[in-house]
Amino acid sequence: DQQVKQNSPSLSVQEGRISILNCDYTNSMFDYFLWYKKYPAEGPTFLISISSIKDKNEDGRFTVFLNKSAKHLSLHIVPSQPGDSAVYFCAATRFAGGTSYGKLTFGQGTILTVHP
Amino acid sequence: ETGVTQSPTHLIKTRGQQVTLRCSSQSGHNTVSWYQQALGQGPQFIFQYYREEENGRGNFPPRFSGLQFPNYSSELNVNALELDDSALYLCASSLGQGSIDYNEQFFGPGTRLTVL
Repeated sequence: DQQVKQNSPSLSVQEGRISILNCDYTNSMFDYFLWYKKYPAEGPTFLISISSIKDKNEDGRFTVFLNKSAKHLSLHIVPSQPGDSAVYFCAATRFAGGTSYGKLTFGQGTILTVHP
Repeated sequence: ETGVTQSPTHLIKTRGQQVTLRCSSQSGHNTVSWYQQALGQGPQFIFQYYREEENGRGNFPPRFSGLQFPNYSSELNVNALELDDSALYLCASSLGQGSIDYNEQFFGPGTRLTVL
């Protein structure tokens, strides 16, 4: 049962353009969502997160959008840079007032390639 | 500030053997989570330790067990290794319960386990 899905295994984008990575979830109990970036031979690195009480969160070139009714979130990277080439994972958890344990449920990942 | 470290980097074992993987959490972090990442998949939650107690477990059999020590470092033990246990094992540390930062887990580079 894949509760978090990233349906695009890969995405190729030209430098300077927008990269849009998508993620869908099925568990309505999830209330906190995160994006991680992973380079080869390294562990995932936290990028940006969003709580279910928001529909948008920005951090520099990275913006995450959450559509709760559609159970869909997306990560926008503008402008894309060659150094952004990596595997991107979305993850979800139930934070629920700070008493939940931090079990992260990850999607399968999307390989982003940004061409110079 | 020292990040999350894991040892060994790579390990080769044969079916039926036992293995111990080690993780040192980031300074000041009291919570450690372990994940298994199979090839082409996202990380899957194995279990979490908070202040030396198991604090949540994913869908893994009892032959996956762990420990957390007073300095918050942790071990993952796997008994009776199976071929499907071949994966990247990731350790992540975080600040602890009750904070939104609790869910922002900082990952180590992982241990690549190959079972022959």
